[in-house]
Amino acid sequence: QLQLQESGPGLVRPSETLSLTCTVSGGPISSSNHYWGWFRQPPGEALEWIGVIHYSGSTYYNPSLKSRVTISGDTSKKQFSLNLNSVTAADTAVYYCARIDSSTSGSYYMDVWGKGTTVTVSS
Amino acid sequence: QSVLTQPPSVSAAPGQHVTISCSGSSSNIGNSYVSWYQQLPGTAPKLLIYDNNQRPSGIPDRFSGSKSGTSATLGITGLQTGDEADYYCGTWDSGLSSWVFGGGTKLTVL
Repeated sequence: QLQLQESGPGLVRPSETLSLTCTVSGGPISSSNHYWGWFRQPPGEALEWIGVIHYSGSTYYNPSLKSRVTISGDTSKKQFSLNLNSVTAADTAVYYCARIDSSTSGSYYMDVWGKGTTVTVSS
Repeated sequence: QSVLTQPPSVSAAPGQHVTISCSGSSSNIGNSYVSWYQQLPGTAPKLLIYDNNQRPSGIPDRFSGSKSGTSATLGITGLQTGDEADYYCGTWDSGLSSWVFGGGTKLTVL
């Protein structure tokens, strides 16, 4: 079945760029019906949407993070990536990638999640 | 401060029934579909409900969802100790142009 796996450094220095990759296995990434997204969860806090990408290259970002976020994709490697620049301690969180599916009603929801990767911002 | 409001915690005994509310506004729940996610301790979220009340394959019918106006509700019957988790509601907010989540509700099965 479809699986997603996050990878990247667990420690990032303040003011530097956080870079993570999500690898998709067990299914296609080039699907017109799906988006691929990044989410995060600071310790003890709620989930937060970061942004999504479609295999066509279309991207949508959380307005609160848009100035610092870039999401890109490599369909040949079945991967999509997150870059978050100018990080601070407030960016410390578990980062998840997920597939966004759509129903016949036109709604969107996250139906497959990666296990998550912990990123700490500290000097 | 989350855009969607959930109670921080709910509790009930095994075998009992519990509901978790999710309150929003006309820019989110009021004009969009709601989904619900279960997050067991130390694990990734898992989709429980989509389109307000639809269960994905493999989700038992003990879990149900409903929506009325600008609020949504997750119901769980026949509570089991394995249901102890954090539960999140989520939807699209057209005013913010952003996907938003509730603050999460911790379910304790006493």
